Parts: sequence; C-alpha cells; structure tokens
Amino acid sequence: NAGVTQTPKFQVLKTGQSMTLQCAQDMNHNSMYWYRQDPGMGLRLIYYSASEGTTDKGEVPNGYNVSRLNKREFSLRLESAAPSQTSVYFCASSVIGGGTSGRAYEQYFGPGTRLTVT
Amino acid sequence: AQKITQTQPGMFVQEKEAVTLDCTYDTSDPSYGLFWYKQPSSGEMIFLIYQGSYDQQNATEGRYSLNFQKARKSANLVISASQLGDSAMYFCAMREGGAQKLVFGQGTRLTINP
Repeated sequence: NAGVTQTPKFQVLKTGQSMTLQCAQDMNHNSMYWYRQDPGMGLRLIYYSASEGTTDKGEVPNGYNVSRLNKREFSLRLESAAPSQTSVYFCASSVIGGGTSGRAYEQYFGPGTRLTVT
Repeated sequence: AQKITQTQPGMFVQEKEAVTLDCTYDTSDPSYGLFWYKQPSSGEMIFLIYQGSYDQQNATEGRYSLNFQKARKSANLVISASQLGDSAMYFCAMREGGAQKLVFGQGTRLTINP
C-alpha cells in the first residue's frame, strides 16, 4: 500500500516549457487535490477533483490544467512554465466525508514535487 | 479576509515542556472542520489531529490535543512533553460545509531545544 505517489520528485524547466506532474493513489479514495507551497507559506489549492470525472478550480488555478484520468490518477499540467510557478507541488487524496465524523475528511499527501522554473 | 490565521511565525521551546500553537479561523458555515498537519524538514505533510464543529469534546491524539474554543473561533494545538523530533512546521487548516478542500494557514515553525 504505497498511499499517494508523485512523479517526478524534482524538475527544472526553462520558461515556456511544458510538463505534467503525475499523481496516483491506491487507497480507493474518491477525491484528489493539487496544492502548491511557496517558501515560508502554507499550501494553496490549485485544482481538485471531488470524484472521477469532475474537476474544479481552487484558489490559484491560473497557468495550470488538470486531468482526472481515472479514480486512481490525477495529473497537473503546466502548459507554458513561468518563474512564478517555481514551488513545491503536493498531491493529496481523501475519502468523501460523511457527516461530522472526524478522520473521514483527512487528506493524505504525497511526498511532493520540487519544481524550479528558470 | 484570512480564513485561517496563525500569528506565531516561530516558537522556541525547551524539551519536555508543553507548547501551544495558535490558530484562529473565520467562517460563517455552521459545519466545518479544523486540522493540524506537521511538516518536518524532509517536506512531507503528516496529519496530526482533527476537530469537527459539532464535536462535543476536544480532540486528542496521543501527545496532541486541540483546544477548541468555538465562540472565540480558535483551535489551538497543544503538544505535551515536547520532544526534539517535534521540531517542524505546523499548519492549521479548515474545511467548510460539505467541501473537502482545505484552506491552510501560513504555519508556525516550532524549534525544540535540548
């Protein structure tokens, strides 16, 4: 049971290049998320997918696209990378919460991808 | 307006002392939940504790407890008997209503001194 996996772990891009960050989970979770974390800051939501076949914008979606390929996989694409997208990217997943039960809403995070755009 | 506010950028505590990390939140939704995550220097996000708005009792998980004061909209994390391994960034986060997406605070860097 690997939990949430992300590839690659590190990436350096030149301005204008494109790339796709991959995320997969093996916990049969319905919901998946992409966050970015800039130095000294908390995580900000880029996009999320509440269930297979649906995606929605988060707080900072500009410059990104996502694909929920199936229940397990949720990818994040940078079409034309910019230095402002230099960040650590985290993927997360969760079950659909039910009622007020605590741990049902817990999000499980991947190890992160450190992206530098020069 | 900030949804989650963590006012302590950094804290320094002696080993074995208890420590309280502050978190205040802003929401008008009666149904919400508050999380604390730990991020050590290795970078991974580790879930610590969760408090739902309707939970009658303050949440506890081992050495972690959540001091939930609903009227003051605060959800402070208390770590008892701190250890050197507790040195890390700590983030408070909130979900609102039925939504599962989280809003994070800016974090508090906790350093435990021997």
